[in-house]
Amino acid sequence: AQTVTQSQPEMSVQEAETVTLSCTYDTSESDYYLFWYKQPPSRQMILVIRQEAYKQQNATENRFSVNFQKAAKSFSLKISDSQLGDAAMYFCAYRSRGDKIIFGKGTRLHILP
Amino acid sequence: NAGVTQTPKFRVLKTGQSMTLLCAQDMNHEYMYWYRQDPGMGLRLIHYSVGEGTTAKGEVPDGYNVSRLKKQNFLLGLESAAPSQTSVYFCASSYAASPGDEQFFGPGTRLTVL
Repeated sequence: AQTVTQSQPEMSVQEAETVTLSCTYDTSESDYYLFWYKQPPSRQMILVIRQEAYKQQNATENRFSVNFQKAAKSFSLKISDSQLGDAAMYFCAYRSRGDKIIFGKGTRLHILP
Repeated sequence: NAGVTQTPKFRVLKTGQSMTLLCAQDMNHEYMYWYRQDPGMGLRLIHYSVGEGTTAKGEVPDGYNVSRLKKQNFLLGLESAAPSQTSVYFCASSYAASPGDEQFFGPGTRLTVL
């Protein structure tokens, strides 16, 4: 069965600094997608970034980028120039063929002014 | 375009009471999902639907029932609420079966069972 592990329950970073959130997963599939979702204090989850396993190039979305290591089954999220609005719970997620997406338990990110 | 909406936003029940949570989406999405979120547990899938008239069990389906009579609506029912069902419930929808499709989430319903 596929699993997603986020080993950092909480992290803090100084405003304007860079922070990396870790995620590892376990699967026997070769074709899948990985996601990072953000859940701000308002609770509504939004997609931050996604990565297709077949693409070797790491996905980027403005200040957000990923380090995708397929062989190591690692998918970390890097946030550059951290802003106060980045404070949230971040969930790593995995989805292969089929209907269900599997979420990690989340990492709460605090931004220190 | 309201996206995914959930009704109600908050609810307090007594043990044994029943209730229905309503999820509605206006994006013509085929897939809809119900999750519960508990501290330290992340999001766990309760039930999901791959189209109108279909439902399937997720990771934690016990104590819940669902119905998808209309494509835009996905109802989650608790027939006899228990304190263990105190949680925040999220509905989500996505367009189709592509694994890369984004899931769009509702704002959540905070349910307390006394």
